[in-house]
Amino acid sequence: DTGVSQDPRHKITKRGQNVTFRCDPISEHNRLYWYRQTLGQGPEFLTYFQNEAQLEKSRLLSDRFSAERPKGSFSTLEIQRTEQGDSAMYLCASSKTGTHDNNEQFFGPGTRLTVL
Amino acid sequence: AQKVTQAQTEISVVEKEDVTLDCVYETRDTTYYLFWYKQPPSGELVFLIRRNSFDEQNEISGRYSWNFQKSTSSFNFTITASQVVDSAVYFCALRGAAGNKLTFGGGTRVLVKP
Repeated sequence: DTGVSQDPRHKITKRGQNVTFRCDPISEHNRLYWYRQTLGQGPEFLTYFQNEAQLEKSRLLSDRFSAERPKGSFSTLEIQRTEQGDSAMYLCASSKTGTHDNNEQFFGPGTRLTVL
Repeated sequence: AQKVTQAQTEISVVEKEDVTLDCVYETRDTTYYLFWYKQPPSGELVFLIRRNSFDEQNEISGRYSWNFQKSTSSFNFTITASQVVDSAVYFCALRGAAGNKLTFGGGTRVLVKP
């Protein structure tokens, strides 16, 4: 039984550098979500995909952020020119295209980003 | 806009005591879904329960129980006979019918002391 996996688990970078994170969803899930969680807060939605289509983006997703899911399977989240305010836990989740009975999102372990 | 409020930031109990976590939500959707997630020190969010807005039947699952009150927009969660392993941050979350994103509350940290 494989859940959602994320790589890397931790990333330390210097301000101004680019970073890329990867998420592999549960295999039969066609929806994939990215959230950001800062210390002491609840997760905040960034964006989501249904198959390879990016269907919604939050205002939190500035121009420096880009997410892709080219083949409808794994997804990448890239942050360009990182800033100290980008330091957070980046969480990936996946779900089925459900209505009432199976729409819960399952989360991966997260990638903790520290920008020095 | 959707909003979830968890007024309790931290609760500390002694093992075997019951713990009730409060959650109040706001939404204009007539159909919506409510969730509870647990985030242990390891960091991974663990799904616990989903309730649909049109199903107000409360439920008990082992040591966990939920109280969904649509009239007061509340979705409270109780751990009976708490154990040290229950120590974690618990998040209440809301998803509207039309949207797909989860809106989370700020979380409640539960500390169960032996």
